[in-house]
Amino acid sequence: AQKVTQAQTEISVVEKEDVTLDCVYETRDTTYYLFWYKQPPSGELVFLIRRNSFDEQNEISGRYSWNFQKSTSSFNFTITASQVVDSAVYFCALSETFSGTYKYIFGTGTRLKVLA
Amino acid sequence: ETGVTQSPTHLIKTRGQQVTLRCSSQSGHNTVSWYQQALGQGPQFIFQYYREEENGRGNFPPRFSGLQFPNYSSELNVNALELDDSALYLCASSLGQGGYEQFFGPGTRLTVL
Repeated sequence: AQKVTQAQTEISVVEKEDVTLDCVYETRDTTYYLFWYKQPPSGELVFLIRRNSFDEQNEISGRYSWNFQKSTSSFNFTITASQVVDSAVYFCALSETFSGTYKYIFGTGTRLKVLA
Repeated sequence: ETGVTQSPTHLIKTRGQQVTLRCSSQSGHNTVSWYQQALGQGPQFIFQYYREEENGRGNFPPRFSGLQFPNYSSELNVNALELDDSALYLCASSLGQGGYEQFFGPGTRLTVL
């Protein structure tokens, strides 16, 4: 069954610490997409990154980096030198196709608290 | 460029009633998805519309239905409301199906009494 697991419910760090948010997925498809979204206290989900199943290159964007490993079905997200503004709930999501239709599965989210 | 907008912001209904939620997609986007987000949970995929056709559905009963209009705006209809339908309903638009990033609206908070 398709599934996205974010085992860390809540993480608290002190500003400037590095933090990694874990995401493990299950899918029957060979072609799929993985995403990370951020939901700040204001509530609106914001897209951070997309990866397709054929692209295992890691990516870095400023203080954010993502590690995609198909061998372990993981797509982890690291924030370097965290800041208070990074405090939010972060969701990992999977998009897959089955018989020409689409489905999206979100994890339960990890609440990150960055303390000053 | 206008982002995704949703109306109304908040809604209170009683059990058994019907509700319609509305969404305007971001300019240039032809695909709209709807999600239900219960408090403290991740968004649950309800369905997706691409060029006015439903092309994906999550594990929601038929009383959850939708429409997409020629201008790509969309409606979510829920019949025979149940207490468990109380949630934040999110609309997201994208440039296409499947692997495109989705742009989310602020949501409609539905309370069923």
